[in-house]
Amino acid sequence: EIVLTQSPGTLSLSPGEGATLSCRASQSVSSNYLAWYQQKPGQAPRLLLYGASSRATGIPDKFSGSGSGTDFTLTLSRLEPEDFAVYYCQQYGSSPWTFGQGTKVEIK
Amino acid sequence: EVQLLESGGGLVQPGGSLRLSCAASGFTFSSYAMTWVRQAPGKGLEWVSAISGSGASTYFADSVRGRFTISRDNSKNTLYLQMNSLRAEDTAVYYCAKLPGTYCSGGSCFLVYWGQGTLVTVSS
Repeated sequence: EIVLTQSPGTLSLSPGEGATLSCRASQSVSSNYLAWYQQKPGQAPRLLLYGASSRATGIPDKFSGSGSGTDFTLTLSRLEPEDFAVYYCQQYGSSPWTFGQGTKVEIK
Repeated sequence: EVQLLESGGGLVQPGGSLRLSCAASGFTFSSYAMTWVRQAPGKGLEWVSAISGSGASTYFADSVRGRFTISRDNSKNTLYLQMNSLRAEDTAVYYCAKLPGTYCSGGSCFLVYWGQGTLVTVSS
């Protein structure tokens, strides 16, 4: 099973700042099959990116993804109040699919 | 508009059973694989099970294999999760989600749309 470790656990930032979230895999993720999700309190997660860097339908370009192999990054630019949430990565290159433990982006 | 509506959650005793349903609308249900993901209170996400568009192929996490069964009724646009021999550690919000393809293979195992979830509490 591929273990995904996200860092940092919590990121405290001010609106307008940028954020860089990391997702590290215990072994190489096949074909960079890595997705990112955003979850706000009391809501279901929402797909942001798949294939490490492809944005899902309706996702603005302020969200971008990069990386390959075992190291992946989600970058958020110009944080707005609605961007403060928990972000999860998920690998779907090998079964069982696994999620990281999440990074909380909170208002400083 | 894609809509997924889970139901069937509730309080059940350890060792008991529960069947969750997920009513889908806004897309051709039989053309898409579906999945269940759960989230324990205050915790992260855990993939539980998946099923192909036709229902012929199913997948399970080790933690539920042999206890949970996934199925679908394409005539009713509904996904099911039959949960038996429930344990306290199965307590979670259960989400159903739509995958981008008919099968979960070749890079099509990410979750495009999610329902709002249904809470399952296993406690005596």
